[in-house]
Amino acid sequence: AQSVAQPEDQVNVAEGNPLTVKCTYSVSGNPYLFWYVQYPNRGLQFLLKYITGDNLVKGSYGFEAEFNKSQTSFHLKKPSALVSDSALYFCAVRDSNAGNMLTFGGGTRLMVKP
Amino acid sequence: NAGVTQTPKFQVLKTGQSMTLQCAQDMNHNSMYWYRQDPGMGLRLIYYSASEGTTDKGEVPNGYNVSRLNKREFSLRLESAAPSQTSVYFCASSVIGPGYNEQFFGPGTRLTVL
Repeated sequence: AQSVAQPEDQVNVAEGNPLTVKCTYSVSGNPYLFWYVQYPNRGLQFLLKYITGDNLVKGSYGFEAEFNKSQTSFHLKKPSALVSDSALYFCAVRDSNAGNMLTFGGGTRLMVKP
Repeated sequence: NAGVTQTPKFQVLKTGQSMTLQCAQDMNHNSMYWYRQDPGMGLRLIYYSASEGTTDKGEVPNGYNVSRLNKREFSLRLESAAPSQTSVYFCASSVIGPGYNEQFFGPGTRLTVL
């Protein structure tokens, strides 16, 4: 069965500092990995995805994520945080061996303080 | 281009009442999904429709039914609401299945069952 874990409920960073939001996954086949962001009272918005190819994936709003197969991780990063990045972030995975469903992590709340 | 729209935005039901949540997309997407979001649990898939005329159960289908009315519309029905169904419900769509393409989400329906 596929699963994904976001070990931190909340991440606090100061504006201008780099940020990392962690995600680890478990699949039996190849992973297809996604990051989404949710602002208050809104639906989720797609940030970036890893399907195959380069391990460093660049996405919207200056975010990037690094796929690490040996550590089964797909951490979200940004070199310089903005207060407007404060939101709820979700990692999601689909196992190439297992049907047609995405599994989402529990979410990590990012708080960027001025 | 409205994207994914959901109605209603808010609903309060009494235990045992029924209701239908409506979802429509104008992006000519083939696949549509219904999720529920509960605190700390991320999003869990209730049902999905890979293409017009097909529907499949997700992770938490009990107590729900769906109808893919046409390519644009995918409704979710609660036949006899229970307090455990208090949640925020999101509809989403994608070009084809979730493995390769990002999903586009609606704004959500906040449902309270008393």
